[in-house]
Amino acid sequence: GAVVSQHPSRVICKSGTSVKIECRSLDFQATTMFWYRQFPKQSLMLMATSNEGSKATYEQGVEKDKFLINHASLTLSTLTVTSAHPEDSSFYICSAGMGAEKYFGPGTRLTVT
Amino acid sequence: GIQVEQSPPDLILQEGANSTLRCNFSDSVNNLQWFHQNPWGQLINLFYIPSGTKQNGRLSATTVATERYSLLYISSSQTTDSGVYFCAGSQAAGNKLTFGGGTRVLVKP
Repeated sequence: GAVVSQHPSRVICKSGTSVKIECRSLDFQATTMFWYRQFPKQSLMLMATSNEGSKATYEQGVEKDKFLINHASLTLSTLTVTSAHPEDSSFYICSAGMGAEKYFGPGTRLTVT
Repeated sequence: GIQVEQSPPDLILQEGANSTLRCNFSDSVNNLQWFHQNPWGQLINLFYIPSGTKQNGRLSATTVATERYSLLYISSSQTTDSGVYFCAGSQAAGNKLTFGGGTRVLVKP
């Protein structure tokens, strides 16, 4: 199957700082990637769809100025959490598709202190 | 968008037991996947199954697309089967997946 990687796997930052999370498709090209957020003991909630070479599409209720997404190449999408606050602490997971089947990265656990 | 409902929400099994997990969709989906989320949070692809039946070892899945549901069967469960099982679907190939609430499975030795 296809491999999706994320970096970092875990990050702790202070309130008010920004954090960048990278998502890479290692053995395939992805014109579209997806960013999800998962709170403890809950399901995955889609935040945005990242489109290579164009603007991301955000789900209702997700602040696009707070969660900046850049999809600069066919194998890399980045999510930047700007001016992070403790309520942004969560597990962030990216996904990319090879054909119709989607594959997921290992996730990034963000803790904002 | 589509709604995805999974049942049961929690399942406790004795090692060796069989079980069935269910996933219902509010509307037709053209793509359907089952995942196992391990204790470290990684989603493992189990099945891509928009219709029909597939088997992989002790796991199998059946999707009845016309009735908008899918079933995941675990046979002879092992402690390593513990974790959360998610189904997710989308209405077009490139579209975003919508996830169900998950079934949390605990297999006791």
